[in-house]
Amino acid sequence: DAKTTQPTSMDCAEGRAANLPCNHSTISGNEYVYWYRQIHSQGPQYIIHGLKNNETNEMASLIITEDRKSSTLILPHATLRDTAVYYCIVRPTMNSGGSNYKLTFGKGTLLTVNP
Amino acid sequence: DAGVTQSPTHLIKTRGQQVTLRCSPKSGHDTVSWYQQALGQGPQFIFQYYEEEERQRGNFPDRFSGHQFPNYSSELNVNALLLGDSALYLCASSWGETQYFGPGTRLLVL
Repeated sequence: DAKTTQPTSMDCAEGRAANLPCNHSTISGNEYVYWYRQIHSQGPQYIIHGLKNNETNEMASLIITEDRKSSTLILPHATLRDTAVYYCIVRPTMNSGGSNYKLTFGKGTLLTVNP
Repeated sequence: DAGVTQSPTHLIKTRGQQVTLRCSPKSGHDTVSWYQQALGQGPQFIFQYYEEEERQRGNFPDRFSGHQFPNYSSELNVNALLLGDSALYLCASSWGETQYFGPGTRLLVL
């Protein structure tokens, strides 16, 4: 599995945009970038995923660099409820011909949104 | 539309006992994955079930076993419990690429 590198922790002011970086320099062409978050003691929550293009949904935006070696998750207007551990995960697409369906979690980034 | 549900929410067992955890997938989902999350760590993949068969397995001993039923619900069984099995056990369901997690079952082994 391609490995990801994330900062251990980040702070953000409430109402401001939170930009969470992730490095995945060994990513291959058939691997997605996934983002999940986990609020204390709850199950991980799916946020967004992308392959090559930038993606946006009601929760966040995902910006993937042209060489695909890094990405940034953007929470446009952070609130106190966005305080959580954010995980960036790289995983092969299901039609890539392999048999790797698991999500491999690292330690993630603890985002603290301050009032 | 109910999301992924797990039962029980909390469980206390003693060393050597056996435990069964249950998961009901999100409506329309046919695949169930199980993860173990120790305190302070990210979730670790145990195995995945699809069409009632174990499709992929992580680096866990045979004490960890599972089952998927025709209605796609699943069970995780752990035999001969060790203190180190204390963790949050997460179930995730999917239909296609994206996995959606349940709230987890917190297991404490004394």
